Amino acid sequence: SYELTQPSSVSVSPGQTARITCSGDVLAKKYARWFQQKPGQAPVLVIYKDNERPSGIPERFSGSSSGTTVTLSISGAQVEDEADYYCYSAADNNRVFGGGTKLTVL
Amino acid sequence: EVQLVESGGGLVQPGGSLRLSCAASGFTFSSYWMSWVRQAPGKGLEWVANIKQDGSEEYYVDSVKGRFTISRDNGKNSLFLHMNSLRVEDTAVYYCARAGPSAGDKSPGTYWGQGTLVTVSS
Repeated sequence: SYELTQPSSVSVSPGQTARITCSGDVLAKKYARWFQQKPGQAPVLVIYKDNERPSGIPERFSGSSSGTTVTLSISGAQVEDEADYYCYSAADNNRVFGGGTKLTVL
Repeated sequence: EVQLVESGGGLVQPGGSLRLSCAASGFTFSSYWMSWVRQAPGKGLEWVANIKQDGSEEYYVDSVKGRFTISRDNGKNSLFLHMNSLRVEDTAVYYCARAGPSAGDKSPGTYWGQGTLVTVSS
């Protein structure tokens, strides 16, 4: 098994760029996904294959990768972006989520 | 419109069994890997299991191996999770999720159900 490590919380003011990191050895060779989850709701995929955005996801969401770290960036963060964010990756037949990061926008 | 609707959750005693179901509609169910993901109260997401389009491959997180079985009925567009020897630590909301965005993906994608709560307690 393997682990993905995220900061527990990130805070930004509206309009700033929020950056959430996710680290793990597996990320050097496997793609990452990012999910957004708001209270009481199911997760929403916002980034896949490190930096691809599903249809319907705003352009302010972007992803990048460098070595064993991937980063989710939200440019011009809005109050509605306040949520928990989880990175995810898969290697062999194992799949794992990071511990999650609570993004506060205020 | 893609829809995933879970059912079967409830209160069960430790050591008991439960079968979760997920009814799928709005897409060709037999073309996609499917997954179960759970979330304990106040905790993060945990991938539980996934199953190939034709049911010929299935994989599990270590903590449920030998106790949980994922299955599917493509004729009825349904996904199942059979849970045996349940433990207090299995208490969680269980989500079914379609792989994606493309049919070749194996990982949870854009479409998730709203979840069903399983509570294991005496």
